[in-house]
Amino acid sequence: AQSVTQLDSHVSVSEGTPVLLRCNYSSSYSPSLFWYVQHPNKGLQLLLKYTSAATLVKGINGFEAEFKKSETSFHLTKPSAHMSDAAEYFCVVSVRNAGNMLTFGGGTRLMVKP
Amino acid sequence: NAGVMQNPRHLVRRRGQEARLRCSPMKGHSHVYWYRQLPEEGLKFMVYLQKENIIDESGMPKERFSAEFPKEGPSILRIQQVVRGDSAAYFCASSPLDGSYEQYFGPGTRLTVT
Repeated sequence: AQSVTQLDSHVSVSEGTPVLLRCNYSSSYSPSLFWYVQHPNKGLQLLLKYTSAATLVKGINGFEAEFKKSETSFHLTKPSAHMSDAAEYFCVVSVRNAGNMLTFGGGTRLMVKP
Repeated sequence: NAGVMQNPRHLVRRRGQEARLRCSPMKGHSHVYWYRQLPEEGLKFMVYLQKENIIDESGMPKERFSAEFPKEGPSILRIQQVVRGDSAAYFCASSPLDGSYEQYFGPGTRLTVT
């Protein structure tokens, strides 16, 4: 079985400052890891994915995440927040022999102050 | 290249009625997943289907819920005799190959039971 814990339900930053959204996972097998973003009343958009290649993954809109197996973490970062980054972010794990269904974390709501 | 399509986007049903949610996967995708998002929560896996087959329905409630993905036409998630607790956003995702690609999400159907 796999699980995902997003350590902060809410994160508030000022525009132009760095963003850190924390995620820890648990998996019996080698996982694929994803970050999705959901804007209010919208669907989910894939930000980036890790599938056992490079451990530092670059995504869209300046986001990146680093897979750290020893820490079972996959934290999402961005050097400089923009107002348009305000949204809900989900860390997600997928395991091939579990039918590839996605297991979602509880989400982190990112607020960006002007 | 159209993305995953879901309809209706919003659905209002009275208690005891039936709800039918439709999902058309991306062209060339033969795997469909349904997820439910309750208010203020992350998405929870419900069911995984391939054409004419249910592969994994471990996340489906035992009663009133069913899903199909016929040879022709969209995937259907059916909820019979809806109750207030069924009010949620229901997301469909599709992927082209099991375990090889990320899942692409539709915009969701927001079901409200009055």
